[in-house]
Amino acid sequence: EIVMTQSPATLSVSPGEKTTLSCRAGQSVSGDLAWYQQKPGQAPRLLIYGASTRATGVPARFSGSGSGTEFTLSISSLQSEDFAVYYCQQYNRWPLTFGGGTKVEI
Amino acid sequence: QVQLVESGGGAVQPGGSLRLSCAASGFTFSTYAMHWVRQAPGKGLEWVAFMPFDSSYQRYADSVKGRFAISRDNSNNTLHLQMNSLRAEDTAVYYCAKDRREKSGTSLDYWGQGALVTVSS
Repeated sequence: EIVMTQSPATLSVSPGEKTTLSCRAGQSVSGDLAWYQQKPGQAPRLLIYGASTRATGVPARFSGSGSGTEFTLSISSLQSEDFAVYYCQQYNRWPLTFGGGTKVEI
Repeated sequence: QVQLVESGGGAVQPGGSLRLSCAASGFTFSTYAMHWVRQAPGKGLEWVAFMPFDSSYQRYADSVKGRFAISRDNSNNTLHLQMNSLRAEDTAVYYCAKDRREKSGTSLDYWGQGALVTVSS
């Protein structure tokens, strides 16, 4: 299976700052990469698919980039509602696999 | 609006069985692939099972292969997960999730609120 590694595990940032989360695939997944946001007690929410396409209703401050094995999720100006755990997921090969998550905290 | 509502969770002893259901509404269920994804307490997300729109094949995580079975009823807009030979490590919140596509597994654009399954003696 393709192992997805996210870094860092925890990111401490202040509101208004820009932040970048990283996701590395154990082998190339081309552009078949999605990002999700999960807040405590809630289901995950799709943010990005196809490595860089924002899902419906996702604010423009979220952007994704990368291909192959290296991917990033950037949040241009952190809002209070953005403090959450973020997961990447590859869908290039079965089984679908998620990264371990990055917690973005104040 | 899209709604996915899981039911059937609960507590079960090791070796027991449980059947989860997911009632879908707000979209044409019969034209989208569906997944089950789980999350153990305090842990990350683990994909569990997949079925395309036409039930033509299934995919499973190795951790549940041979014990879990995914199925769907397009006439009743319902997805199921039959879980047999349950183990303590199957304890998790189980999410039903809609795929963006109809046939292949891709990204999951809508999720249910989850059903808690606890396996303990």
